[in-house]
Amino acid sequence: GENVEQHPSTLSVQEGDSAVIKCTYSDSASNYFPWYKQELGKGPQLIIDIRSNVGEKKDQRIAVTLNKTAKHFSLHITETQPEDSAVYFCAATAIFGGGTSYGKLTFGQGTILTVHP
Amino acid sequence: SQTIHQWPATLVQPVGSPLSLECTVEGTSNPNLYWYRQAAGRGLQLLFYSVGIGQISSEVPQNLSASRPQDRQFILSSKKLLLSDSGFYLCAWSTGVGEQPQHFGDGTRLSIL
Repeated sequence: GENVEQHPSTLSVQEGDSAVIKCTYSDSASNYFPWYKQELGKGPQLIIDIRSNVGEKKDQRIAVTLNKTAKHFSLHITETQPEDSAVYFCAATAIFGGGTSYGKLTFGQGTILTVHP
Repeated sequence: SQTIHQWPATLVQPVGSPLSLECTVEGTSNPNLYWYRQAAGRGLQLLFYSVGIGQISSEVPQNLSASRPQDRQFILSSKKLLLSDSGFYLCAWSTGVGEQPQHFGDGTRLSIL
């Protein structure tokens, strides 16, 4: 099955700096990669996702890049703000093509991001 | 718009007691439904998923079971809770088989004493 590794486990930045979180996956059949933000006591909320037919996607201050050859993808947050502080999770699954991970999200272990004012 | 509800938000139960957690989705039909467990400081582990009424797939052997008595209702149960069942339980839905993204509820914090 799929295995997703996420680094770093904790990340501390100053307000206005950029933050980068990296994930690697093992199953070459995976073709959909979402990122979730989880605030304390809440469920994860989708913030951005990318499919394997593109290498990069951007939404305002958030961007995700995907390297299918190396099987890794990254989340980039620019101009960080204190409200960006949360736990961020990457995940991987196959949404077409079948395989054992079809339709099932495998999550990384999470990154605790702290943005200091 | 679609919404997902989980209850209760928090629950404290003694070892050996039964469990029933409920999840309902509004604003969509025939969703895929999922139960996850999140241990403290860890990622999410898929426990069960369902593609339709009465159809349940279990991902890991455990002390829990799931049922889907109605199209938009998903229930997580146990006959006798163990200490190791403590955790944060999350329900999620997606629009169909293989479809993403999954949308999560706000979870139930379960503490076993």
